[in-house]
Amino acid sequence: SQQGEEDPQALSIQEGENATMNCSYKTSINNLQWYRQNSGRGLVHLILIRSNEREKHSGRLRVTLDTSKKSSSLLITASRAADTASYFCATEETSGSRLTFGEGTQLTVNP
Amino acid sequence: GAVVSQHPSWVICKSGTSVKIECRSLDFQATTMFWYRQFPKQSLMLMATSNEGSKATYEQGVEKDKFLINHASLTLSTLTVTSAHPEDSSFYICKPWMVRGGYGYTFGSGTRLTVV
Repeated sequence: SQQGEEDPQALSIQEGENATMNCSYKTSINNLQWYRQNSGRGLVHLILIRSNEREKHSGRLRVTLDTSKKSSSLLITASRAADTASYFCATEETSGSRLTFGEGTQLTVNP
Repeated sequence: GAVVSQHPSWVICKSGTSVKIECRSLDFQATTMFWYRQFPKQSLMLMATSNEGSKATYEQGVEKDKFLINHASLTLSTLTVTSAHPEDSSFYICKPWMVRGGYGYTFGSGTRLTVV
């Protein structure tokens, strides 16, 4: 399956700043999910947004979804050094089906 | 809920040997298991999908005779890398799915395989 695209590929910011990552995908979807992966570790599920939703919040995370443009964005507000990780978007065409991952954004938050 | 245990966390093996990776869903029954692979500095790619009691479905380009998947029970699935070669060195990670209950967002912790 084709991978989606994420940009930027790498993002370096200072603590306290906001970080925005974008994701584009190619097919129709049931939902889009964002995951975090610390270096060499497993994936942590951050947030899921369904195809009929346009925006969702969870703590310092804000996710938007534009199905007409097949794109999503993840905003992390007031970033912390502990937010340093790779962030991946992943789409599900139907609930419980395979996940198709984007290329990922490597976020570095400098203290 | 949704506790997933994957072992081993890392393994180093010699070229030509086989390695078995286990993935257990500890507090729910996984009707489906997804196995993903991640090469260094790359994204995750689906290798295969297995349903309990059925043969696995492999993605294009994944050798089914090399990557043996067993999903004999609703709580355990195994991935065996047979006759491993250095190009099989990768991060392997499982993701169980249960039809009911919404358990579907938890991945295993992953296995770092290095073939020398």
